[in-house]
Amino acid sequence: GAGVSQSPSNKVTEKGKDVELRCDPISGHTALYWYRQSLGQGLEFLIYFQGNSAPDKSGLPSDRFSAERTGGSVSTLTIQRTQQEDSAVYLCASSFQGSGETQYFGPGTRLLVL
Amino acid sequence: QQQVKQSPQSLIVQKGGISIINCAYENTAFDYFPWYQQFPGKGPALLIAIRPDVSEKKEGRFTISFNKSAKQFSLHIMDSQPGDSATYFCAARATTSGTYKYIFGTGTRLKVLA
Repeated sequence: GAGVSQSPSNKVTEKGKDVELRCDPISGHTALYWYRQSLGQGLEFLIYFQGNSAPDKSGLPSDRFSAERTGGSVSTLTIQRTQQEDSAVYLCASSFQGSGETQYFGPGTRLLVL
Repeated sequence: QQQVKQSPQSLIVQKGGISIINCAYENTAFDYFPWYQQFPGKGPALLIAIRPDVSEKKEGRFTISFNKSAKQFSLHIMDSQPGDSATYFCAARATTSGTYKYIFGTGTRLKVLA
C-alpha cells in the first residue's frame, strides 16, 4: 500500500500570505502527527490528531497556525500571515493507534517564506 | 523535563568502524524510545526501538543500549557502511490517557567514509 503522502513537496510564498499544507496518512491509521523541522534542528512537535479530534495542540507555535482533519483521514495544516521564521520542512506522520509505536513519516513539505 | 538531549551533533566514522550516538532524558514517564534514520530529502524512518524494561536490543548491525538508572540510551552501528550515512534522531514517547507524544533529539549527522 501507499505510504504517507504530503503536498505540495515544495512551497515558496511571500511574507504575509497564507499557506495550506496537506497530509494523506496511511489508510486505517487513526493517529496523525505534524512536526516542523528547521535546518539542522530536530523535529518539533506541532499537533496530534486521534481520529478527527486534536487532543494535543500544545506544539502550535502561535495562533497563526491551525490544523484540521476530516473523515479521519486527510489533514491540512494552515499557516496564516506567514513569516520568514516559518520557513522549514513540515513533516506529517501517521500510526495505527492500537500500537501507537511505529510512526510512518511522509517526505515533508519544504516551505520557504520570502 | 520534556527534552531529549542528543550527542554528538555530527560524527565521521571509517568504513567498518563503530558509530555511537547518545541520548539522555529527564522524564521518567517516557515509555518507548525509538531511533529514526533520515536521508536527505526524505522523511525519517523507524530504525529500531526499545522499551525501558529492556537493557539492550539488537537488530542486525544496529543495537540500542538502555540505562534506565542513568536515563540514557545509545545507538551503536556496528561495521558502519557508507550507506549508513544519514541523520539519526533519537526520540522518547510520553503516554497520557491513551494519547502519545514524541519528543525528538536534535539529530546526529553521520558520515561513513569509504
